[in-house]
Amino acid sequence: NAGVMQNPRHLVRRRGQEARLRCSPMKGHSHVYWYRQLPEEGLKFMVYLQKENIIDESGMPKERFSAEFPKEGPSILRIQQVVRGDSAAYFCAAGVAGGPVVQFFGPGTRLTVL
Amino acid sequence: LAKTTQPISMDSYEGQEVNITCSHNNIATNDYITWYQQFPSQGPRFIIQGYKTKVTNEVASLFIPADRKSSTLSLPRVSLSDTAVYYCLLRGHNAGNMLTFGGGTRLMVKP
Repeated sequence: NAGVMQNPRHLVRRRGQEARLRCSPMKGHSHVYWYRQLPEEGLKFMVYLQKENIIDESGMPKERFSAEFPKEGPSILRIQQVVRGDSAAYFCAAGVAGGPVVQFFGPGTRLTVL
Repeated sequence: LAKTTQPISMDSYEGQEVNITCSHNNIATNDYITWYQQFPSQGPRFIIQGYKTKVTNEVASLFIPADRKSSTLSLPRVSLSDTAVYYCLLRGHNAGNMLTFGGGTRLMVKP
């Protein structure tokens, strides 16, 4: 998957806790996309970021979810006060400027909310 | 967003050629046709992308008729390890275009 790294690979949280998911795209990939996948379903777009900017967050719930991609460091998807319905696989994809852009996906973080 | 339609599932046997057809009647002029493969518990893996006619790489071929209202992913001589979900997607030319995943086609390769 072209070197896109995500951690942790598995994350268990109790209801009400916070979950932080990290994505490190490979060097030169300045575009990051977050997707969520429920069991037996396709991936659903959440948010698209470039360095220090949120470009499109139309797929992200208005409450409890936030994302950032700072100038230095990984992109972070943050879920506050998690609920059982947040249990899913969260995938990060990375791409470069200029199209047609191929998005390369990381291995995902599987979030389980108890 | 233009929608894609593909079979829910397909079965095949090792060594056979597998063709998965995707319908996209409302494809836009600037849409590219992209196929991804996903194994259980893994992220989708890019297979192939095309705009028109035929594209071939070391993994697969993609056939796109002149009207671009459908496309066919061809996997030559499949093996058991090709058992996966295959997604057909349309995406615009710009980097900002997110991918819209449908349900995909579950390919089961049998010995």
